[in-house]
Amino acid sequence: DTGVSQDPRHKITKRGQNVTFRCDPISEHNRLYWYRQTLGQGPEFLTYFQNEAQLEKSRLLSDRFSAERPKGSFSTLEIQRTEQGDSAMYLCASSPGTDSFGNTIYFGEGSWLTVV
Amino acid sequence: KQEVTQIPAALSVPEGENLVLNCSFTDSAIYNLQWFRQDPGKGLTSLLLIQSSQREQTSGRLNASLDKSSGRSTLYIAASQPGDSATYLCAVGGYSTLTFGKGTMLLVSP
Repeated sequence: DTGVSQDPRHKITKRGQNVTFRCDPISEHNRLYWYRQTLGQGPEFLTYFQNEAQLEKSRLLSDRFSAERPKGSFSTLEIQRTEQGDSAMYLCASSPGTDSFGNTIYFGEGSWLTVV
Repeated sequence: KQEVTQIPAALSVPEGENLVLNCSFTDSAIYNLQWFRQDPGKGLTSLLLIQSSQREQTSGRLNASLDKSSGRSTLYIAASQPGDSATYLCAVGGYSTLTFGKGTMLLVSP
């Protein structure tokens, strides 16, 4: 078990460009989550998947953001037409099972995005 | 809307001290509560998970308690060490999401 893996770890992009982040969850974890964290704040929920189905999206996830989890394995988070306000760390997490009662959520190391 | 508050925002202690970090939440209808540790520029490491039906959990020098009715949780760290220096985040679990506090930044000096 190698933990949750995220790629790239750091990305610097110019405003208006598109970026894509990839997350590989712990194998056989049904749930996969995306969170965003800015400096001095706790992570904020963006979206989550149960297997390949995207079941909930935060209002933070504007129409410039899209997430996929094909075949219920890895996931991608794409940001189109990036803005400076998108600069943050994007965290992926996964958990086993289909409910939240006793399931620890495991986070990856995060992908830092800087929009210049 | 669930809101999570952590007090203090920062804490500096000498090595060996016992300390308590506090977390409060506004909506007691929770599924669980998790405490995480975050080192600078890194992801989150889960420390303890308390299910809504439980009162406390222990792991090594860490003990976390949960009082749902009052909307409070505490993380007790015994015999603190410089390696404990990090930001500690409290997160309240709903069915599908975690709501985080802003964290307590802990510095343990040798």
